[in-house]
Amino acid sequence: DTAVSQTPKYLVTQMGNDKSIKCEQNLGHDTMYWYKQDSKKFLKIMFSYNNKELIINETVPNRFSPKSPDKAHLNLHINSLELGDSAVYFCASSTGLANTGELFFGEGSRLTVL
Amino acid sequence: AQKVTQAQTEISVVEKEDVTLDCVYETRDTTYYLFWYKQPPSGELVFLIRRNSFDEQNEISGRYSWNFQKSTSSFNFTITASQVVDSAVYFCALSEVLQGAQKLVFGQGTRLTINP
Repeated sequence: DTAVSQTPKYLVTQMGNDKSIKCEQNLGHDTMYWYKQDSKKFLKIMFSYNNKELIINETVPNRFSPKSPDKAHLNLHINSLELGDSAVYFCASSTGLANTGELFFGEGSRLTVL
Repeated sequence: AQKVTQAQTEISVVEKEDVTLDCVYETRDTTYYLFWYKQPPSGELVFLIRRNSFDEQNEISGRYSWNFQKSTSSFNFTITASQVVDSAVYFCALSEVLQGAQKLVFGQGTRLTINP
């Protein structure tokens, strides 16, 4: 049983389109995250949610809109896609706010914008 | 601001050699946590270890060992008797609490290639 699952794993789309990536965790964690990994493998946090509430928004363009319908799900919607949005997006979860336990990552969703 | 530096971009060794991956961090916090993650060619991020700032004991897990030196702000990772399956990108990370929530600040990663 996959702990943190993301769909789709691969996404190829044209500039200007809108797309969504879904994430679900079955670990019972309270906190979920989106991280972006660029072409140079650099990993950077985008958002953090705790119990459906947005906690961290790391100066991400407002074309990116996360949504957490419940604490087990954190989806990422991206409007008006740009070439620079091409990256691997990782969803993650951890046990609680300010808890410094490990983050459990999903397998990543590779987005390619043409 | 927190910062993690992995100065070695790429390392290539022959199987069975020992290899050390360096990690240097910067933080003003007195309590902090350090992590290592592995990213194999398949792309997932695999947790390896978490260490808190009050525990400077070295840790060994099979062929893996970690050396935490608070005096030099380093948290280095050594693989003994490397194997081809160890080939991956390895990330060191520092936990920062921001607005009451944790975030990991990652280093740039070190790509390790183990040649047969």
